[in-house]
Amino acid sequence: DAGVIQSPRHEVTEMGQEVTLRCKPISGHDYLFWYRQTMMRGLELLIYFNNNVPIDDSGMPEDRFSAKMPNASFSTLKIQPSEPRDSAVYFCASKASGATQYFGPGTRLLVL
Amino acid sequence: SQQGEEDPQALSIQEGENATMNCSYKTSINNLQWYRQNSGRGLVHLILIRSNEREKHSGRLRVTLDTSKKSSSLLITASRAADTASYFCATDHNAGNMLTFGGGTRLMVKP
Repeated sequence: DAGVIQSPRHEVTEMGQEVTLRCKPISGHDYLFWYRQTMMRGLELLIYFNNNVPIDDSGMPEDRFSAKMPNASFSTLKIQPSEPRDSAVYFCASKASGATQYFGPGTRLLVL
Repeated sequence: SQQGEEDPQALSIQEGENATMNCSYKTSINNLQWYRQNSGRGLVHLILIRSNEREKHSGRLRVTLDTSKKSSSLLITASRAADTASYFCATDHNAGNMLTFGGGTRLMVKP
């Protein structure tokens, strides 16, 4: 298995631009999580899905952030418009019914 | 907000020595998990200890859990340079669906 796949691995954009991060979970996993990691705030859960349905989005910072999971093998996290304070590493993770989450390599986002 | 807080924030040891990292949390848990993150990479699950367990071993890893003190420790024995990474504890309050991560301990093992 290729593990959790994220793209792009690095993204540099200018303030105000739309950013879309992509994630392909491990096949057969029915939970998908989006996290953000910064030096100041550590690793924060933004949103998670179960069977493609958003279950808890209380960690989403504000309306500029949105996440979708149109099918079991694909999810997106969109930031529109982006701001410099959104600069962070964004991780996607997936899991089956057990407790262990499997993380992707992350997308390093820099908003100038 | 972060539930788990690791201590120390950074630890530097020589290869062959043992490394101990501690984690404290605030509210009751179903289980507590430890993850490792190598620089520029995603997190990798190391070990899980359930709330009714007190100690667990996996290879060179030993985890303890004291629910009365709301704390856990991760011991890495006979450390190797390849153990250099950040280590995070994560508390599970909802059957593994939502993990709350601590700030991590940066471990450096010098060859």
